Amino acid sequence: DTAVSQTPKYLVTQMGNDKSIKCEQNLGHDTMYWYKQDSKKFLKIMFSYNNKELIINETVPNRFSPKSPDKAHLNLHINSLELGDSAVYFCASSPGDRGGGEQYFGPGTRLTVT
Amino acid sequence: AQTVTQSQPEMSVQEAETVTLSCTYDTSENNYYLFWYKQPPSRQMILVIRQEAYKQQNATENRFSVNFQKAAKSFSLKISDSQLGDTAMYFCAFMKGHSGGGADGLTFGKGTHLIIQP
Repeated sequence: DTAVSQTPKYLVTQMGNDKSIKCEQNLGHDTMYWYKQDSKKFLKIMFSYNNKELIINETVPNRFSPKSPDKAHLNLHINSLELGDSAVYFCASSPGDRGGGEQYFGPGTRLTVT
Repeated sequence: AQTVTQSQPEMSVQEAETVTLSCTYDTSENNYYLFWYKQPPSRQMILVIRQEAYKQQNATENRFSVNFQKAAKSFSLKISDSQLGDTAMYFCAFMKGHSGGGADGLTFGKGTHLIIQP
């Protein structure tokens, strides 16, 4: 079974559209994250959720909103997409300190905005 | 805020050689974790090795080992007997530790593209 899954793996859309990326983990972890990897491969944290509470909200545009219906899911919704949003988005989960801090990553979603 | 610096954008070695990737970090935290992640062309992020800051002993995982110098804030990765499958981007990452659950996200370096030549 896949530990952290994301859908879709590829997403091509036009500027101005609204899109969502779904993430699910079956590891029973308490914390989930979203990362953005830009065209230069740089990875940066966007959000994290711990027990359905937002605990990090980096300086990302408010067009991005994480939504967590339950502990196993953390979806990323993006409004009014812009060219600069093109990137690979990774979901991850972690058991936190009790698990040694390790984060488990999903396969990534490559978003292309045209 | 934490920073992680990887000073080698790209490295290339012959198969079976040993290679060391450099990483330095800056933090005022005393409790933290350090990681090396591998990202092959498939783009999957794969944990290579983990080090808890409170442990003096360097972590080892098969052909992969680290040289953790806490005072110098240095965390290098050594790959022994390198294989073609080791070709990938390697990211050094830092995470603060917290007691009582709930962890911060990872702070990544910019990565080192490692190429293993046949």
